[in-house]
Amino acid sequence: QVQLVQSGAEVKKPGASVKVSCKVSGYTLTELSMHWVRQAPGKGLEWMGGFDPEDGETIYAQKFQGRVTMTEDTSTDTAYMELSSLRSEDTAVYYCATGENYFDYWGQGTLVTVSS
Amino acid sequence: DIQMTQSPSTLSASVGDRVTITCRASQSISSWLAWYQQKPGKAPKLLIYKASSLESGVPSRFSGSGSGTEFTLTISSLQPDDFATYYCQQYNSYTLTFGGGTKVEIK
Repeated sequence: QVQLVQSGAEVKKPGASVKVSCKVSGYTLTELSMHWVRQAPGKGLEWMGGFDPEDGETIYAQKFQGRVTMTEDTSTDTAYMELSSLRSEDTAVYYCATGENYFDYWGQGTLVTVSS
Repeated sequence: DIQMTQSPSTLSASVGDRVTITCRASQSISSWLAWYQQKPGKAPKLLIYKASSLESGVPSRFSGSGSGTEFTLTISSLQPDDFATYYCQQYNSYTLTFGGGTKVEIK
């Protein structure tokens, strides 16, 4: 059974960066393809990017390219999502999620608030 | 990117009702479609994958059908625990996309 535990809520100013972590247990990170999905308040789900095991590369949604970086530390089985140049529209709950291109395991979510 | 359109956006129903939610893809996605249920303040929960395969532990009142560009999620007899928001997600293209969601409310 995979468990994903995310870091706590963050408050950031416009223009800053945020780095959210996702700790894996039950499996090793190398056995999983990790993705990130966000949800603005009262809105739907938005895929940000994830690991493509066929190409061995991380694919980012075009909307976030140049502003998002997804990394992994296999020594601690922790995945990270860093989003830069934050603006108020980036206020959202950020989820890590894993599965075979659909997601059967999700983290609990991390609220990132962008406010001056 | 493949666009996913769900309808209706909101649905009012009573316990025991049969409920159907539709998801349309902007191009063919074969059967590469998943459905999720989300309750307020919680992460989404996988219900259906590959259009019609029921995830382990999900009640059999949930079913999915369709292929190509048109898909449906059916709840055969709505239960109190089923009032939630439902999302479809395509994974035909590696740029994954979700539908806008359907909120199932108490009538």
